[in-house]
Amino acid sequence: GQQLNQSPQSMFIQEGEDVSMNCTSSSIFNTWLWYKQDPGEGPVLLIALYKAGELTSNGRLTAQFGITRKDSFLNISASIPSDVGIYFCAGRSTNAGKSTFGDGTTLTVKP
Amino acid sequence: DTEVTQTPKHLVMGMTNKKSLKCEQHMGHRAMYWYKQKAKKPPELMFVYSYEKLSINESVPSRFSPECPNSSLLNLHLHALQPEDSALYLCASSQGGTVMNTEAFFGQGTRLTVV
Repeated sequence: GQQLNQSPQSMFIQEGEDVSMNCTSSSIFNTWLWYKQDPGEGPVLLIALYKAGELTSNGRLTAQFGITRKDSFLNISASIPSDVGIYFCAGRSTNAGKSTFGDGTTLTVKP
Repeated sequence: DTEVTQTPKHLVMGMTNKKSLKCEQHMGHRAMYWYKQKAKKPPELMFVYSYEKLSINESVPSRFSPECPNSSLLNLHLHALQPEDSALYLCASSQGGTVMNTEAFFGQGTRLTVV
C-alpha cells in the first residue's frame, strides 16, 4: 500500500524560531493535507493543497505541494507556545476514497 | 455549521458490554469515516461510508459494527471488546462522492477504555 515518510519525528525549538517539516511518498498524490492535533482532541485541518507546485499560507503557516506530486512541506514561522502539538501530513490519490497519514511530527516549543 | 460532533467524549466499558459511539455532521458531506488512534500514532482508518453505503472496511474485527442511519449520522456499535481496543475513536467527514479534491473534518473523538 501507499506509505508516507514524515520527518522529523520530533522537534524541540525555542519560541520565535521557524520550523520546517516534510512528507515524502513513493506514490503520487493528488491532494496533500496538513493537520495539527492537540492532546485528547481530534486532528484539525490546517492547510489543503490540490495542485502540484501550489504554495498556500494560513497565517504563520505555509505549505507546498511538491512538483513531482510525491512530497509536501509545512513551514511555521516565528513559533509560539501554542504551536505545540503533533503535526500530521496526509495524502490522497484520485478515487482512493481515503487518506494515507504520515507518522506525525511532535513539536515542542520552549518559551 | 462546520463541526463534526462525537458522543460520548469518554467511555469506560467492560469486555462483556455493548455500547455505541455516535457521530453527527450537518455540512452536507456524503462521506463519513471511523478512525482508531493509539497514543502518539497517526489515525488508523477503520471504515468509510459513501452516500450511506459502506465503501471501505479495513479488515476490522466484527466486534466493531458500523451503521449509517442517514447522511448526517454515523454510529459505531461495540460488543465484546478487548483491553487492547482502548484508544481514541475519531469520526471524520468529507464532501465525498465524485469530487476528487476533498477534505476531511474530524470530530473531537471518544476516548474509549475497555476494562
